[in-house]
Amino acid sequence: DTEVTQTPKHLVMGMTNKKSLKCEQHMGHRAMYWYKQKAKKPPELMFVYSYEKLSINESVPSRFSPECPNSSLLNLHLHALQPEDSALYLCASSQIQLSGANVLTFGAGSRLTVL
Amino acid sequence: AQKITQTQPGMFVQEKEAVTLDCTYDTSDQSYGLFWYKQPSSGEMIFLIYQGSYDEQNATEGRYSLNFQKARKSANLVISASQLGDSAMYFCAMRGGYQKVTFGIGTKLQVIP
Repeated sequence: DTEVTQTPKHLVMGMTNKKSLKCEQHMGHRAMYWYKQKAKKPPELMFVYSYEKLSINESVPSRFSPECPNSSLLNLHLHALQPEDSALYLCASSQIQLSGANVLTFGAGSRLTVL
Repeated sequence: AQKITQTQPGMFVQEKEAVTLDCTYDTSDQSYGLFWYKQPSSGEMIFLIYQGSYDEQNATEGRYSLNFQKARKSANLVISASQLGDSAMYFCAMRGGYQKVTFGIGTKLQVIP
């Protein structure tokens, strides 16, 4: 199994809603990532979890709240978002090896629209 | 801090020809990794090829090769025998320390029949 599965594929929410994006992998990877990608831009790193602990937070607004319940699951909780938060949210996972490539394997993304 | 620079916003290539996509990088890390990803219009990010900073040989994966010139801090992607399905955005990326992977702004490749 070499997939990273993201749900939902599409999400439309109002600015007062609370929703969550989910990501799952069964490759035994111990690092998981959230990236945000606006149209015609590169992915921007938001969060990294290593061994289920938050290791990187790229100064993301608190209306985005990540959670890593176990080594296979990664959630992104959304609350009081703004229209400019509309984007493709990409989840990725990788191994953590000192001298390895640690290639990121991406999910297909969740396309979020905030009205 | 690490920085990836891709200076070609768009490239055209004739089907069956080879094309080189440019990437330069800057980092203070001694150990780092360089990646190329492909993103078709559907949005998924597809891993193509990896080069470690200590690898002496240039990486190759099928029709993809990475021209790694460490002294010049460049990691260009060469696609041989281009196919129509190669039309996509191509991102160069770098991993430094702490699992942080940074992407360049990308190059849009269009393959012409």
